[in-house]
Amino acid sequence: TQLLEQSPQFLSIQEGENLTVYCNSSSVFSSLQWYRQEPGEGPVLLVTVVTGGEVKKLKRLTFQFGDARKDSSLHITAAQPGDTGLYLCAGEGQTGANNLFFGTGTRLTVIP
Amino acid sequence: DAGVIQSPRHEVTEMGQEVTLRCKPISGHDYLFWYRQTMMRGLELLIYFNNNVPIDDSGMPEDRFSAKMPNASFSTLKIQPSEPRDSAVYFCASSLRFRTGRTGELFFGEGSRLTVL
Repeated sequence: TQLLEQSPQFLSIQEGENLTVYCNSSSVFSSLQWYRQEPGEGPVLLVTVVTGGEVKKLKRLTFQFGDARKDSSLHITAAQPGDTGLYLCAGEGQTGANNLFFGTGTRLTVIP
Repeated sequence: DAGVIQSPRHEVTEMGQEVTLRCKPISGHDYLFWYRQTMMRGLELLIYFNNNVPIDDSGMPEDRFSAKMPNASFSTLKIQPSEPRDSAVYFCASSLRFRTGRTGELFFGEGSRLTVL
């Protein structure tokens, strides 16, 4: 099992603030996906990053894949209550087995 | 298009009883995954199938757990006998592997919340 540690585990911020969530591992991944999960639902894909150093933007969300493809970050600008949820990173192992190893998750609460 | 469909959404049972969770993947997807989610352990992969064939079941906790995929549109996860520590949300997900060999997006069902008393 390839372990993905996310930090912080819990985050509660005021609407309008910025935040960054980290996803770290000692393993190299061929790609990394970020999902958001809302209560009572399954995770939903936000983005996939593939190339070391890659940066992708999705409106107020910015995703970065580390140069060594062992870590990733998610930065949210001007957080909104609708951003509340559980953020999960998931790494694809280099064996190409088509299975994903999910991180421990960051539970974000944005207070209006 | 319908997404991944799981049933039941909620199951409450007593220790020792058999539990069967069901999943219908998205039509055309060739991979199916069973995950278990708890506060303590997060999202754990239990088993996954490719074209109805189990590929990796190393995440299945013990012999009490079994999974089958008799055809491309149906899979079951069975726990017999169930124990209180099996209480969790069980998710089924399906995906279509890219021609490049890279893992595609996982589409999750809404989950089955299991409580074993």
